[in-house]
Amino acid sequence: DAEITQSPRHKITETGRQVTLACHQTWNHNNMFWYRQDLGHGLRLIHYSYGVQDTNKGEVSDGYSVSRSNTEDLPLTLESAASSQTSVYFCASSSDRGGTEAFFGQGTRLTVV
Amino acid sequence: AQKITQTQPGMFVQEKEAVTLDCTYDTSDPSYGLFWYKQPSSGEMIFLIYQGSYDQQNATEGRYSLNFQKARKSANLVISASQLGDSAMYFCAMREGHGNTDKLIFGTGTRLQVFP
Repeated sequence: DAEITQSPRHKITETGRQVTLACHQTWNHNNMFWYRQDLGHGLRLIHYSYGVQDTNKGEVSDGYSVSRSNTEDLPLTLESAASSQTSVYFCASSSDRGGTEAFFGQGTRLTVV
Repeated sequence: AQKITQTQPGMFVQEKEAVTLDCTYDTSDPSYGLFWYKQPSSGEMIFLIYQGSYDQQNATEGRYSLNFQKARKSANLVISASQLGDSAMYFCAMREGHGNTDKLIFGTGTRLQVFP
């Protein structure tokens, strides 16, 4: 079965360190998204990609970057982790055909100390 | 401007009763889709139901139905015959744009608690 997986599931890191969260999907979807979930804010879009070599900033992109070198993977990098980036991060993918839902990974709980 | 608004941070419902979770949206694009997702305490995001902007009928999926009022820009989720397992966070989301230019934008969520 096709799936979307995130790793690690839990991560503790120190302020100032670079951190990369992995996202891998086997749906062969062109669209991939990264969200962060915080209490009272729902899911906010960080970065997204519509295909290989394409990346776009979402509403909360400061301090984050992504790269898309193949269809399956969209890693999210925190350049210099800050305590404000402590959150739960979700990766999602969707078909570029309208009317279809996005599929989500299990989430990564990141704590910056 | 908030694209998706969920005004109910929390809702309570008794088991076997119906409950409506509110969602309003804002878009100028004539083509869009509306989604509801459920997030149980385990954390995963579970797709529940979808409504396209051109769909004439309200979407239904088992005990879930979407009360789509286009002129009012509302897309409320109705859960009939609530079960204890329905206790979770519920998110309304909108996908506007077409194919390779669309994004999925979420509301802040409603926490539903079902009591016996």
